[in-house]
Amino acid sequence: DTGVSQDPRHKITKRGQNVTFRCDPISEHNRLYWYRQTLGQGPEFLTYFQNEAQLEKSRLLSDRFSAERPKGSFSTLEIQRTEQGDSAMYLCASYGGSGETQYFGPGTRLLVL
Amino acid sequence: GQSLEQPSEVTAVEGAIVQINCTYQTSGFYGLSWYQQHDGGAPTFLSYNALDGLEETGRFSSFLSRSDSYGYLLLQELQMKDSASYFCAVRANGQNFVFGPGTRLSVLP
Repeated sequence: DTGVSQDPRHKITKRGQNVTFRCDPISEHNRLYWYRQTLGQGPEFLTYFQNEAQLEKSRLLSDRFSAERPKGSFSTLEIQRTEQGDSAMYLCASYGGSGETQYFGPGTRLLVL
Repeated sequence: GQSLEQPSEVTAVEGAIVQINCTYQTSGFYGLSWYQQHDGGAPTFLSYNALDGLEETGRFSSFLSRSDSYGYLLLQELQMKDSASYFCAVRANGQNFVFGPGTRLSVLP
Protein backbone atom coordinates (compact mmCIF):
# COMPACT_ATOMS: atom_id res chain seq x y z
CA ASP A 1 0.00 0.00 0.00
CA THR A 2 1.60 3.26 -1.17
CA GLY A 3 -0.82 5.51 0.69
CA VAL A 4 -2.49 6.62 -2.55
CA SER A 5 -6.09 5.52 -3.04
CA GLN A 6 -8.32 5.55 -6.09
CA ASP A 7 -12.02 5.05 -6.41
CA PRO A 8 -13.66 3.16 -7.99
CA ARG A 9 -11.27 0.33 -8.70
CA HIS A 10 -13.38 -0.89 -11.62
CA LYS A 11 -15.93 0.86 -13.80
CA ILE A 12 -18.02 -0.55 -16.63
CA THR A 13 -20.00 1.95 -18.63
CA LYS A 14 -21.80 2.24 -21.92
CA ARG A 15 -20.46 4.32 -24.76
CA GLY A 16 -21.63 7.91 -24.50
CA GLN A 17 -21.91 7.96 -20.71
CA ASN A 18 -19.86 10.21 -18.43
CA VAL A 19 -17.57 8.76 -15.76
CA THR A 20 -15.66 10.34 -12.90
CA PHE A 21 -12.71 8.89 -11.02
CA ARG A 22 -11.24 10.04 -7.74
CA CYS A 23 -7.67 9.99 -6.45
CA ASP A 24 -6.57 10.68 -2.88
CA PRO A 25 -2.82 11.30 -2.79
CA ILE A 26 -0.44 11.19 0.15
CA SER A 27 -1.56 14.14 2.23
CA GLU A 28 1.68 16.10 2.35
CA HIS A 29 2.45 15.67 -1.35
CA ASN A 30 1.83 18.76 -3.45
CA ARG A 31 2.08 17.23 -6.90
CA LEU A 32 -0.42 14.80 -8.41
CA TYR A 33 -0.25 13.08 -11.79
CA TRP A 34 -2.82 11.26 -13.90
CA TYR A 35 -1.79 8.55 -16.36
CA ARG A 36 -3.58 6.16 -18.69
CA GLN A 37 -2.25 2.68 -19.29
CA THR A 38 -3.41 0.15 -21.86
CA LEU A 39 -2.46 -3.51 -21.90
CA GLY A 40 1.17 -4.10 -22.72
CA GLN A 41 2.07 -0.42 -22.69
CA GLY A 42 3.70 1.94 -20.24
CA PRO A 43 1.76 4.61 -18.37
CA GLU A 44 0.93 7.55 -20.63
CA PHE A 45 0.99 11.02 -19.06
CA LEU A 46 -2.34 12.84 -19.08
CA THR A 47 -2.01 15.81 -16.75
CA TYR A 48 -0.53 16.98 -13.47
CA PHE A 49 -1.29 19.36 -10.64
CA GLN A 50 0.93 21.39 -8.36
CA ASN A 51 -1.35 21.93 -5.38
CA GLU A 52 -4.66 23.05 -6.93
CA ALA A 53 -3.13 24.37 -10.16
CA GLN A 54 -3.26 22.20 -13.26
CA LEU A 55 0.12 22.98 -14.79
CA GLU A 56 0.38 20.68 -17.76
CA LYS A 57 -1.90 18.65 -19.99
CA SER A 58 -0.93 16.14 -22.61
CA ARG A 59 -1.76 17.08 -26.18
CA LEU A 60 -3.34 13.64 -26.37
CA LEU A 61 -5.95 14.69 -23.82
CA SER A 62 -9.09 15.49 -25.75
CA ASP A 63 -11.60 18.07 -24.59
CA ARG A 64 -13.79 15.21 -23.33
CA PHE A 65 -11.34 14.82 -20.45
CA SER A 66 -11.22 17.22 -17.54
CA ALA A 67 -9.45 17.06 -14.22
CA GLU A 68 -9.69 19.07 -11.04
CA ARG A 69 -7.91 19.24 -7.74
CA PRO A 70 -9.91 21.56 -5.52
CA LYS A 71 -8.07 22.75 -2.42
CA GLY A 72 -4.97 20.88 -3.52
CA SER A 73 -6.03 17.62 -1.90
CA PHE A 74 -7.94 14.90 -3.76
CA SER A 75 -8.33 15.03 -7.53
CA THR A 76 -11.03 13.95 -9.94
CA LEU A 77 -10.76 12.93 -13.57
CA GLU A 78 -13.93 13.10 -15.64
CA ILE A 79 -14.44 11.60 -19.07
CA GLN A 80 -17.48 12.83 -20.94
CA ARG A 81 -19.20 10.94 -23.75
CA THR A 82 -17.01 7.89 -23.28
CA GLU A 83 -15.77 5.97 -26.31
CA GLN A 84 -14.57 2.39 -26.55
CA GLY A 85 -11.04 3.68 -27.04
CA ASP A 86 -11.16 5.14 -23.54
CA SER A 87 -11.05 1.63 -22.08
CA ALA A 88 -7.84 1.52 -20.07
CA MET A 89 -6.38 1.63 -16.58
CA TYR A 90 -6.33 5.16 -15.17
CA LEU A 91 -3.54 5.66 -12.66
CA CYS A 92 -2.81 8.54 -10.39
CA ALA A 93 0.54 9.16 -8.76
CA SER A 94 1.53 11.29 -5.81
CA TYR A 95 4.87 13.10 -5.76
CA GLY A 96 6.37 14.90 -2.82
CA GLY A 97 9.08 16.78 -4.65
CA SER A 98 12.08 15.02 -3.21
CA GLY A 99 13.98 12.59 -5.35
CA GLU A 100 12.05 11.26 -8.27
CA THR A 101 9.75 8.77 -6.58
CA GLN A 102 6.17 8.75 -7.72
CA TYR A 103 3.78 6.75 -5.56
CA PHE A 104 1.09 5.18 -7.69
CA GLY A 105 -2.41 4.34 -6.63
CA PRO A 106 -3.97 0.97 -7.50
CA GLY A 107 -5.69 2.43 -10.56
CA THR A 108 -9.22 2.51 -11.90
CA ARG A 109 -9.89 0.01 -14.67
CA LEU A 110 -12.43 1.41 -17.12
CA LEU A 111 -14.31 -0.70 -19.64
CA VAL A 112 -16.50 1.08 -22.16
CA LEU A 113 -19.01 -1.19 -23.87
CA GLY B 1 9.26 14.44 -29.29
CA GLN B 2 10.11 12.02 -26.56
CA SER B 3 10.64 8.30 -27.04
CA LEU B 4 12.06 5.45 -25.01
CA GLU B 5 12.93 1.98 -26.22
CA GLN B 6 13.14 -1.24 -24.20
CA PRO B 7 13.16 -4.91 -25.15
CA SER B 8 9.63 -6.25 -25.01
CA GLU B 9 10.46 -9.51 -23.22
CA VAL B 10 13.31 -11.09 -21.27
CA THR B 11 13.44 -14.60 -19.82
CA ALA B 12 15.89 -15.89 -17.23
CA VAL B 13 16.13 -18.62 -14.59
CA GLU B 14 16.06 -18.29 -10.83
CA GLY B 15 19.38 -17.20 -9.39
CA ALA B 16 20.59 -15.69 -12.65
CA ILE B 17 21.44 -12.07 -13.50
CA VAL B 18 19.47 -10.13 -16.08
CA GLN B 19 19.97 -6.71 -17.64
CA ILE B 20 17.12 -4.63 -19.07
CA ASN B 21 18.23 -1.85 -21.38
CA CYS B 22 16.59 1.47 -22.08
CA THR B 23 17.52 4.04 -24.70
CA TYR B 24 15.85 7.40 -24.83
CA GLN B 25 15.42 10.42 -27.07
CA THR B 26 14.07 13.43 -25.26
CA SER B 27 14.19 17.19 -25.44
CA GLY B 28 15.87 17.96 -22.16
CA PHE B 29 16.78 15.39 -19.54
CA TYR B 30 16.72 15.38 -15.76
CA GLY B 31 17.09 11.71 -15.00
CA LEU B 32 16.10 8.10 -15.63
CA SER B 33 13.82 6.15 -13.30
CA TRP B 34 12.83 2.50 -13.16
CA TYR B 35 9.51 1.05 -12.05
CA GLN B 36 8.29 -2.49 -11.49
CA GLN B 37 4.71 -3.53 -12.16
CA HIS B 38 3.21 -6.92 -11.38
CA ASP B 39 0.19 -8.07 -13.34
CA GLY B 40 -2.89 -6.28 -12.07
CA GLY B 41 -0.84 -4.03 -9.81
CA ALA B 42 0.38 -0.46 -9.87
CA PRO B 43 3.91 0.59 -10.81
CA THR B 44 6.31 0.80 -7.87
CA PHE B 45 9.48 2.85 -7.88
CA LEU B 46 12.79 0.98 -7.99
CA SER B 47 15.60 3.44 -8.68
CA TYR B 48 16.66 6.73 -10.16
CA ASN B 49 19.82 7.98 -11.90
CA ALA B 50 20.48 11.64 -12.54
CA LEU B 51 24.21 11.33 -13.09
CA ASP B 52 26.36 8.87 -15.01
CA GLY B 53 27.26 5.71 -13.22
CA LEU B 54 25.84 2.86 -11.24
CA GLU B 55 23.35 3.06 -8.37
CA GLU B 56 22.94 -0.06 -6.24
CA THR B 57 19.95 -0.93 -4.09
CA GLY B 58 20.11 -4.46 -2.80
CA ARG B 59 19.69 -6.98 -5.61
CA PHE B 60 18.83 -4.21 -8.08
CA SER B 61 21.27 -1.80 -9.71
CA SER B 62 20.69 0.89 -12.29
CA PHE B 63 23.17 2.48 -14.65
CA LEU B 64 23.08 5.65 -16.71
CA SER B 65 25.21 7.05 -19.51
CA ARG B 66 23.94 10.51 -20.42
CA SER B 67 26.30 10.84 -23.39
CA ASP B 68 24.86 7.65 -24.90
CA SER B 69 21.24 8.36 -23.86
CA TYR B 70 21.25 4.87 -22.40
CA GLY B 71 20.59 3.17 -19.14
CA TYR B 72 19.95 -0.28 -17.78
CA LEU B 73 18.45 -2.06 -14.82
CA LEU B 74 20.41 -5.01 -13.48
CA LEU B 75 18.63 -7.63 -11.42
CA GLN B 76 20.79 -10.13 -9.56
CA GLU B 77 19.97 -13.40 -7.81
CA LEU B 78 16.66 -13.54 -9.62
CA GLN B 79 13.65 -14.80 -7.71
CA MET B 80 10.28 -15.96 -8.99
CA LYS B 81 8.67 -12.87 -7.48
CA ASP B 82 10.75 -10.71 -9.83
CA SER B 83 8.54 -11.83 -12.71
CA ALA B 84 6.88 -8.54 -13.67
CA SER B 85 7.02 -5.72 -16.18
CA TYR B 86 9.77 -3.16 -15.83
CA PHE B 87 9.49 0.38 -17.14
CA CYS B 88 12.09 3.05 -17.60
CA ALA B 89 10.87 6.64 -17.35
CA VAL B 90 12.43 9.97 -18.14
CA ARG B 91 11.67 13.38 -16.73
CA ALA B 92 12.43 15.61 -19.65
CA ASN B 93 11.46 19.28 -19.94
CA GLY B 94 8.82 20.41 -17.51
CA GLN B 95 7.61 18.19 -14.73
CA ASN B 96 5.91 15.38 -16.61
CA PHE B 97 7.35 11.91 -16.96
CA VAL B 98 7.56 9.81 -20.11
CA PHE B 99 7.48 6.03 -19.66
CA GLY B 100 8.94 3.39 -21.92
CA PRO B 101 6.81 0.57 -23.35
CA GLY B 102 7.98 -1.85 -20.69
CA THR B 103 9.94 -5.10 -20.57
CA ARG B 104 8.16 -8.22 -19.42
CA LEU B 105 10.52 -10.36 -17.33
CA SER B 106 9.74 -14.02 -16.86
CA VAL B 107 11.75 -15.89 -14.24
CA LEU B 108 11.75 -19.65 -14.72
CA PRO B 109 12.42 -22.23 -11.97
